[in-house]
Amino acid sequence: DTGVSQDPRHKITKRGQNVTFRCDPISEHNRLYWYRQTLGQGPEFLTYFQNEAQLEKSRLLSDRFSAERPKGSFSTLEIQRTEQGDSAMYLCASSFRTQETQYFGPGTRLLVL
Amino acid sequence: SQQGEEDPQALSIQEGENATMNCSYKTSINNLQWYRQNSGRGLVHLILIRSNEREKHSGRLRVTLDTSKKSSSLLITASRAADTASYFCGNSGGSNYKLTFGKGTLLTVNP
Repeated sequence: DTGVSQDPRHKITKRGQNVTFRCDPISEHNRLYWYRQTLGQGPEFLTYFQNEAQLEKSRLLSDRFSAERPKGSFSTLEIQRTEQGDSAMYLCASSFRTQETQYFGPGTRLLVL
Repeated sequence: SQQGEEDPQALSIQEGENATMNCSYKTSINNLQWYRQNSGRGLVHLILIRSNEREKHSGRLRVTLDTSKKSSSLLITASRAADTASYFCGNSGGSNYKLTFGKGTLLTVNP
C-alpha cells in the first residue's frame, strides 16, 4: 500500500494552455474524489467517481474541466484554456467501498501565469 | 461555498500545552473527519467519528461530536512542535460521502 499518488506535483502554465493531472488511488479503492484548494481555504469538492462512473460533479467544475477514470483505476483531471483563477492545489482522495475514511494524495499545485 | 467553520482560525500555544479546535457544520452528516495539513502538502487523516458516536480517542487526540449543535471539537494533548500545521474538519453527508471543509485552524506550537 503506497498511498494515493498524484502527478505532477507542480505545474506552471501560461493562460490559455491545457493541463492534465493524474491521480493513482490506493489499490482496490473504488471511490475517488477530486478537490480544489486555494490559499487560506479548505478543500472544495469537484467531482466523484465510483469505479469508472462519474456520479457527481460540483458546480465549480466548469465546462473547461473534465475528469475521467477509465477502467476504474487511475483518474485524470484536465483543464482546458486555463485561466489565472484556476491557480490552486488540486487534491485527489480515495476510499474503500465499505469504509468511509478518505485518503488524500500530496496534491498538484497549479500556477497559471 | 464552504459549509463548515473551524474556530479559532489561528491558535498559538507552547509545547506541552493542550490545543482545542472547534468545528461547526450546517447539514446532517454520516461522519466527520479531522485532517492535518502541513504547509503546501496534502491532507493527512487523523480521526473519523460517525454520526452515532459522541467521542473518540486516538493517541494524543480526542474528538467529540454534538449532532444537536452540529459541532465537533479536536483536542490535542501535550502538544509538540511537530504538531504545527493547519487542521481541517470535513463533514460527510449523502450517498457519495463527499467531504465539505471549512477554512481550517492554523495551529502553531512554540518550542
